[in-house]
Amino acid sequence: GIQVEQSPPDLILQEGANSTLRCNFSDSVNNLQWFHQNPWGQLINLFYIPSGTKQNGRLSATTVATERYSLLYISSSQTTDSGVYFCAVASGGSNYKLTFGKGTLLTVNP
Amino acid sequence: DADVTQTPRNRITKTGKRIMLECSQTKGHDRMYWYRQDPGLGLRLIYYSFDVKDINKGEISDGYSVSRQAQAKFSLSLESAIPNQTALYFCATSDPLTYEQYFGPGTRLTVT
Repeated sequence: GIQVEQSPPDLILQEGANSTLRCNFSDSVNNLQWFHQNPWGQLINLFYIPSGTKQNGRLSATTVATERYSLLYISSSQTTDSGVYFCAVASGGSNYKLTFGKGTLLTVNP
Repeated sequence: DADVTQTPRNRITKTGKRIMLECSQTKGHDRMYWYRQDPGLGLRLIYYSFDVKDINKGEISDGYSVSRQAQAKFSLSLESAIPNQTALYFCATSDPLTYEQYFGPGTRLTVT
């Protein structure tokens, strides 16, 4: 099956800093989603982005499908951005089945 | 109100007990899913259903069963709970056109 690798595994920032999270995948995809899991365990949809670029406030994402990677940018980070960020993909005939990466644990200190 | 709801939100049970986790959705989606998350890991698919009459095993279905009572309801059962089923369980639905998935708030299950 498709492989998903996220980097870095851990990231510590001071409030106000910017960051880039990366997701590499091993096959062509027809679904790619970014999620934020908050400290209470809830999964929050950030982006549905199988290709192209999207922006939502301080967050933006870019997927370069031909090169099999996606980037999540967080600007002017806030303590509420802390948590785990997951990339999940689906490919080919299994477009229903999301395969998750192991996530990036982000800690934003005040 | 949340589009995907799960009950209970937290549950502690003992080894050997039967337990049911319930999921309801108001998004009108046909496709529903159950995932499990273990500490430090991403989510893994347990079962999925494309409609009321279609249920399929995911990658880790052993020890679990499901019931799709209606388009809006999808339940996950542990017939005889064991400690290594202690995990965070998520229900999800997906958009029929884009396949974007939407998750419920999760159920934290502890088996002692």
